[in-house]
Amino acid sequence: QKEVEQNSGPLSVPEGAIASLNCTYSDRVSQSFFWYRQYSGKSPELIMSIYSNGDKEDGRFTAQLNKASQYVSLLIRDSQPSDSATYLCAVNPNDYKLSFGAGTTVTVRA
Amino acid sequence: DAGVTQSPTHLIKTRGQQVTLRCSPKSGHDTVSWYQQALGQGPQFIFQYYEEEERQRGNFPDRFSGHQFPNYSSELNVNALLLGDSALYLCASSPLGKEGTEAFFGQGTRLTVV
Repeated sequence: QKEVEQNSGPLSVPEGAIASLNCTYSDRVSQSFFWYRQYSGKSPELIMSIYSNGDKEDGRFTAQLNKASQYVSLLIRDSQPSDSATYLCAVNPNDYKLSFGAGTTVTVRA
Repeated sequence: DAGVTQSPTHLIKTRGQQVTLRCSPKSGHDTVSWYQQALGQGPQFIFQYYEEEERQRGNFPDRFSGHQFPNYSSELNVNALLLGDSALYLCASSPLGKEGTEAFFGQGTRLTVV
């Protein structure tokens, strides 16, 4: 079983719609969860972090965490063409490393 | 304030050769982690350095080794290159204990093994 699994893409959404990304993780002791955005050929950029159950909103992004279900999600509201990228879910199972999912590629159609 | 810088940006090597990649951490960061990102995959943790020591290592063979210098910069060395080593190699720096919340990635080194 992979440490972090994301819903397979690619995900294509029209401009202005909501993009929904899902992620599950296997290590129950994980306490920190992150979403990174990676444009093609670029390095990952942290866009959201969440540590407690519930929702966390930052602009057009909302992260949701359910530790009992070992589930993390990211919603992108009012999707823009500039949101077209690969979104990586990451989990911090210990003090040393981040464990990443394979990523979900999002394309926003104008 | 310069962020994390990596060199070179691109590299082509032949199977069996050795390669050294370099990373300068963000100012104020003392911990450096290296990740390998194969095409279409997420980054995979190689190892982390703090105080010039390897703190933890991921599931990578001994062909992958590293070093951290007193100024916190770091090198990743890969010996006996295989075609499968072709990937984007990312360096991330952070203050100790903040590997998740304050980890900044460099732009990466794209290694192609032919």
